[in-house]
Amino acid sequence: QKEVEQDPGPLSVPEGAIVSLNCTYSNSAFQYFMWYRQYSRKGPELLMYTYSSGNKEDGRFTAQVDKSSKYISLFIRDSQPSDSATYLCAMSVNYGGSQGNLIFGKGTKLSVKP
Amino acid sequence: DTGVSQNPRHKITKRGQNVTFRCDPISEHNRLYWYRQTLGQGPEFLTYFQNEAQLEKSRLLSDRFSAERPKGSFSTLEIQRTEQGDSAMYLCASSLSLTGSNYEQYFGPGTRLTVT
Repeated sequence: QKEVEQDPGPLSVPEGAIVSLNCTYSNSAFQYFMWYRQYSRKGPELLMYTYSSGNKEDGRFTAQVDKSSKYISLFIRDSQPSDSATYLCAMSVNYGGSQGNLIFGKGTKLSVKP
Repeated sequence: DTGVSQNPRHKITKRGQNVTFRCDPISEHNRLYWYRQTLGQGPEFLTYFQNEAQLEKSRLLSDRFSAERPKGSFSTLEIQRTEQGDSAMYLCASSLSLTGSNYEQYFGPGTRLTVT
């Protein structure tokens, strides 16, 4: 079992839909959770960053962490064609301390159709 | 552009040749990371530096791979005797890490390596 599991999709939705992306993980020591967006042949771009459990909202994006279930989610409201990309979840044990390297999921490829 | 830059963007080499990639992090960032990403997979951690010190190496980093960050600024990743299995996107990221503070990792555009 991989440390971080993410459904690779592809996921296709109509413009304006609410998108739900999810990851599960097995290492209960993970404390920091991130979502990155990656366009084709580009580097990952940080979207959201949360610590421990709870919700965080930024514009059309909401990140949720449920540590008891080892489950994280990213919601995109009013999805746009420009949101079409691969979404990667990432997590780490000790973000700014002695380690800080990120463990990534495989990524979910999202396509938003006009 | 004040983001992370990587050169070259694309490298094609023959099996057995050596290649070297360069990463220039965001100027005030003291941490620099190298990751490798293959098609359909998320990035996998290779190694990281805090200033000029290489603090951690993944078991993915075989002895054919070496990374340096000589003055705590730019970094190079060298692969010796390349193999077809080395074909991947090599990503560099940087972050600012201070005592008691946690900051995000910002990625460069990557160097795509093709070994023929």
